[in-house]
Amino acid sequence: AQTVTQSQPEMSVQEAETVTLSCTYDTSESDYYLFWYKQPPSRQMILVIRQEAYKQQNATENRFSVNFQKAAKSFSLKISDSQLGDAAMYFCAYRSRREETSGSRLTFGEGTQLTVNP
Amino acid sequence: DAGVIQSPRHEVTEMGQEVTLRCKPISGHNSLFWYRQTMMRGLELLIYFNNNVPIDDSGMPEDRFSAKMPNASFSTLKIQPSEPRDSAVYFCASSLGLLTSYEQYFGPGTRLTVT
Repeated sequence: AQTVTQSQPEMSVQEAETVTLSCTYDTSESDYYLFWYKQPPSRQMILVIRQEAYKQQNATENRFSVNFQKAAKSFSLKISDSQLGDAAMYFCAYRSRREETSGSRLTFGEGTQLTVNP
Repeated sequence: DAGVIQSPRHEVTEMGQEVTLRCKPISGHNSLFWYRQTMMRGLELLIYFNNNVPIDDSGMPEDRFSAKMPNASFSTLKIQPSEPRDSAVYFCASSLGLLTSYEQYFGPGTRLTVT
């Protein structure tokens, strides 16, 4: 079974600075997706960014980028120019492509609570 | 689009009572997922449907939990009888289909408190 680990329960960053959230995962599979979700106080789960394992290039979405190290099974999220609205719980998640047409579950990490200080 | 709609947003009930959580997926989405979020266990998938048919219910904790999807625009998650350990936030999510590349869109969640 796959596991996802976020070793930082809490992180803080100054507004306009850069912060990196860590995530590691364990799998025996070679083809999968990795995701970062944001959960603000409203509780809404919002997809921030995703990475396909077979792509070597790291995904980027505006101020959000990832550092995907497949061999090390590491998937960190970098937030540049942090804004107050970035304050939220961030979840790393894994989804196998083994059962492409019948679906597979998202496995989530424990989450990292990010505080942005003005 | 209105997004995934869940009701109620908050539910407080007494142990032993029946609880029904409701979800309306995004129009045109064929797959629907029910998740539960607790401090102890984090986010976990309970069950998911494709074209109104349950595909995998292995995450449903026990027989007290049941889920239905009578049509493409409505699903329920029922707990009978409810217990204090069922207190959690329950999320519904929908996607175009089961392909891994399809994004899952989450609803705002229902916070359930069982006293």
